[in-house]
Amino acid sequence: DQQVKQNSPSLSVQEGRISILNCDYTNSMFDYFLWYKKYPAEGPTFLISISSIKDKNEDGRFTVFLNKSAKHLSLHIVPSQPGDSAVYFCAARTLRTTSGTYKYIFGTGTRLKVLA
Amino acid sequence: KAGVTQTPRYLIKTRGQQVTLSCSPISGHRSVSWYQQTPGQGLQFLFEYFSETQRNKGNFPGRFSGRQFSNSRSEMNVSTLELGDSALYLCASSAGTGGSEQYFGPGTRLTVT
Repeated sequence: DQQVKQNSPSLSVQEGRISILNCDYTNSMFDYFLWYKKYPAEGPTFLISISSIKDKNEDGRFTVFLNKSAKHLSLHIVPSQPGDSAVYFCAARTLRTTSGTYKYIFGTGTRLKVLA
Repeated sequence: KAGVTQTPRYLIKTRGQQVTLSCSPISGHRSVSWYQQTPGQGLQFLFEYFSETQRNKGNFPGRFSGRQFSNSRSEMNVSTLELGDSALYLCASSAGTGGSEQYFGPGTRLTVT
């Protein structure tokens, strides 16, 4: 049961244009969402996050939008640069469990290629 | 500050063998989580350790186990390896128990033949 889904395995965008990466989730109990970027032979690196009480968070060229009614998350990169070419994972954090811990659920990733 | 280190980076084993992977978290971080990454499955949570105690566990069989030492270093063990265990195993460290931002290591690429 994939609670966090990234339905597009790959995306190609021209340099300078907008990249939009999408993520859908099924569990209403997620309280925090994150995006990670992963280059080959490296571990994922944190990019940007958003709390479930917000609908937008912006950091430079990166903006994350959250639509709770649609259970949909998107990452916008404007303008896209060739160095943005990587695999992007969205992740959702469960609310604190009875044991006092959290758990992160990751999507399957979208490979973004920015064409020069 | 040094990042998360994982050893070895690459490993080839045969079916039925066992393997131990190691993870050294960022200095001062007490939480270590392990993930399995396979094509089409994304990152799947294995378990989390905090202060030498397993705090959280994913849906993996008992062949997958782990432990954490007093210096926060963690090991993951997989026994009776199967072909399907071939994957990139990532560990992530954080200061707290999952509520804090996670920092990932480069991973160990395990190939089971």
